[in-house]
Amino acid sequence: GAVVSQHPSRVICKSGTSVKIECRSLDFQATTMFWYRQFPKKSLMLMATSNEGSKATYEQGVEKDKFLINHASLTLSTLTVTSAHPEDSSFYICSARKGGSGTGELFFGEGSRLTVL
Amino acid sequence: AQTVTQSQPEMSVQEAETVTLSCTYDTSENNYYLFWYKQPPSRQMILVIRQEAYKQQNATENRFSVNFQKAAKSFSLKISDSQLGDTAMYFCAFISRGSQGNLIFGKGTKLSVKP
Repeated sequence: GAVVSQHPSRVICKSGTSVKIECRSLDFQATTMFWYRQFPKKSLMLMATSNEGSKATYEQGVEKDKFLINHASLTLSTLTVTSAHPEDSSFYICSARKGGSGTGELFFGEGSRLTVL
Repeated sequence: AQTVTQSQPEMSVQEAETVTLSCTYDTSENNYYLFWYKQPPSRQMILVIRQEAYKQQNATENRFSVNFQKAAKSFSLKISDSQLGDTAMYFCAFISRGSQGNLIFGKGTKLSVKP
């Protein structure tokens, strides 16, 4: 199989603090991971593409200094929401593609619910 | 630019009956993949079924099957013998073959299976 694990599943933090969300591919190497934000009853909004060993590529309108992405290994990417504010409260999802995969399929983490007080 | 359109924001079906979710897409590519993903209330996205554009045969996975019409750029999902556990958001998605980029998602269809 191909399992992607995301942690934590839920996090509550105070305004102004930073929160780190981890995305791990448990049984495969992922050269590319993607981070999304999802609003209630909406589709996934791509925030950035995370490439192992290089800087992430951010979508237009996403603040790279606020949403720090690190893809330090072939199995781990992290999203850090810096100086979080209530408007950052959302559901964040990661996905990963198997290195060398030609099927196009993405495997998704369980998602992380962030609540900023 | 490639786009994916799901024209049904919400649908409902009685348990044990059959329902079809619509999806159309726009692309100038000839080789690509199409997917249906399911997002249940638990929120984890799960792959339901995948279709390779160069294969004429429609993909099937147990109670799930697709009607892939390449010329019409249509990719509908049929769920037979609907079960309560099928209640979820369903997203249609597209990617060009060989692309390592993100999938292009439709806006989703919320399916409710009623007992």
